[in-house]
Amino acid sequence: GAVVSQHPSWVICKSGTSVKIECRSLDFQATTMFWYRQFPKQSLMLMATSNEGSKATYEQGVEKDKFLINHASLTLSTLTVTSAHPEDSSFYICSATGTGGPLEQYFGPGTRLTVT
Amino acid sequence: GENVEQHPSTLSVQEGDSAVIKCTYSDSASNYFPWYKQELGKRPQLIIDIRSNVGEKKDQRIAVTLNKTAKHFSLHITETQPEDSAVYFCAASGAAGYNKLIFGAGTRLAVHP
Repeated sequence: GAVVSQHPSWVICKSGTSVKIECRSLDFQATTMFWYRQFPKQSLMLMATSNEGSKATYEQGVEKDKFLINHASLTLSTLTVTSAHPEDSSFYICSATGTGGPLEQYFGPGTRLTVT
Repeated sequence: GENVEQHPSTLSVQEGDSAVIKCTYSDSASNYFPWYKQELGKRPQLIIDIRSNVGEKKDQRIAVTLNKTAKHFSLHITETQPEDSAVYFCAASGAAGYNKLIFGAGTRLAVHP
């Protein structure tokens, strides 16, 4: 149980274009989803927290107009990187917490974004 | 805001030896401390966690200790095996927002046969 999927697993896009990444909880309802970014050989940095049906809360230094987060249902959250640039190339990982477990986060497999 | 420091950044041990990774956190309101193992290009995998009302927890070769007064928690791996080689992250949550995890910088563990 508690499986989280992400799509796509990897994506290459051209500078200036937008990319959407999906995060789904497959067998539970995710009341809260989190988006992290991880650069090579670095730690996971929380970008934003989203609750179903409400606006995402962004961490300091994360541009909310560049990283659009939508959490339209209890099983789906999306992250759209708008006007992507090479410095946005990174490993994006989502996680989710369910209604039954208040603390443990279940991580998706990650999406490797490369902007050329 | 909450800050988590992790040491050492790299750790090299011989197979069979023990490995210890230490973390400190800044916010005394933190109440949940998970440890993750991450292999290259993969998702973080929860290996053990501890809540603030417990001082120690053990699961086979892995143990975690928590000192709330000093705001320290540590991961102990005994009888290390080559497959334990990975990057390990500590994290803390419960302080700044519901379930928000703040990660340490990570420890790259290498276990040599």
